[in-house]
Amino acid sequence: SQQGEEDPQALSIQEGENATMNCSYKTSINNLQWYRQNSGRGLVHLILIRSNEREKHSGRLRVTLDTSKKSSSLLITASRAADTASYFCATDADANSGYALNFGKGTSLLVTP
Amino acid sequence: SAVISQKPSRDICQRGTSLTIQCQVDSQVTMMFWYRQQPGQSLTLIATANQGSEATYESGFVIDKFPISRPNLTFSTLTVSNMSPEDSSIYLCSVVAGSNEKLFFGSGTQLSVL
Repeated sequence: SQQGEEDPQALSIQEGENATMNCSYKTSINNLQWYRQNSGRGLVHLILIRSNEREKHSGRLRVTLDTSKKSSSLLITASRAADTASYFCATDADANSGYALNFGKGTSLLVTP
Repeated sequence: SAVISQKPSRDICQRGTSLTIQCQVDSQVTMMFWYRQQPGQSLTLIATANQGSEATYESGFVIDKFPISRPNLTFSTLTVSNMSPEDSSIYLCSVVAGSNEKLFFGSGTQLSVL
């Protein structure tokens, strides 16, 4: 099964700065999603971008998708200390798994006041 | 959307024992997914649980080690059997609600095996 690969693995920025995380994947997808995880708990869905979309916005989040390069980026603008979390990209798995997703290794974001 | 209640939230267990994790969803869902997240790692799918049929396990996971029950459309359990320290992980249940493709997650069970 394919799995996304995020970079950087860890990112430390100050409040007010922008944070950019990247994700690469290996095979064709129907959509790519980004999730957030606080302190090793349950994941929360942030945004979904379909394979025929190139950019999507949601509040302070901006996601891009380049299917030719099999990559996506998540930009968090004007970051806040509360944005400190791990961020994962996820791609839809093969048909046998239904809607199960394959998750990348994640980027750990630390936002300091 | 879906709200998932997962318990226990954490447990410390002795080697050789078993732990059953429960997930209750506030709506009827066809598929439930169980994931494992080893320390500092990403999520790995253990199995997909459909109501009325046996769970479908991913490569590397077997029913004897991770038996799953799915008695109805709102509830599922995952048992971690004959535990060893290597089973220390966060276990997460998730569902797809309605026609939306995004996953909703329980709050996770942090398991430590001594």
